[in-house]
Amino acid sequence: SAVISQKPSRDICQRGTSLTIQCQVDSQVTMMFWYRQQPGQSLTLIATANQGSEATYESGFVIDKFPISRPNLTFSTLTVSNMSPEDSSIYLCSVRQGANQPQHFGDGTRLSIL
Amino acid sequence: SQQGEEDPQALSIQEGENATMNCSYKTSINNLQWYRQNSGRGLVHLILIRSNEREKHSGRLRVTLDTSKKSSSLLITASRAADTASYFCATDGTHETSGSRLTFGEGTQLTVNP
Repeated sequence: SAVISQKPSRDICQRGTSLTIQCQVDSQVTMMFWYRQQPGQSLTLIATANQGSEATYESGFVIDKFPISRPNLTFSTLTVSNMSPEDSSIYLCSVRQGANQPQHFGDGTRLSIL
Repeated sequence: SQQGEEDPQALSIQEGENATMNCSYKTSINNLQWYRQNSGRGLVHLILIRSNEREKHSGRLRVTLDTSKKSSSLLITASRAADTASYFCATDGTHETSGSRLTFGEGTQLTVNP
């Protein structure tokens, strides 16, 4: 399976600032996703990162708050903008090669906002 | 919205015993995937079972799928203390606007006591 590297692994940020999380995959992948996992909860899909075009956001998530880039088939970024304490979560990058294929996850970025 | 529902929410057993976790879902699926998450870490992919399959094995893991009941189970045999983790099921279905995407259940926290 693809090796997924996320940076940073964790960060503590001030309210009102923005942070960009990077996801690098060691091979080209068809599909890339970004998930959020709030403390003690399950995973929620933020958006599907589309290569060369705007991401597809799930209900409750908007581009102004979570801009996503995907310039090629191995790299994507998620920015968490104008952060508040409610954004404290683990953010996870996930990839798979196509429908009906296993979906794999990076180790996640643990974000705390003061 | 989360499609999968898992039970039990928490399970505590002794080393050597078997652990069974169940997952129910509501709509048609292409496949169902099981994951393990150690505290504060990323998700590790365990097994993918397709909608036309009824049972799959991987080492000490056995997964069943009953599409008529919209349910799946994960059995871990001869459990070890290292199996202590959260286990999630995720259903892969095709959505009109966002295509194929994975939706997670709430998870089962398994504790294996030495």
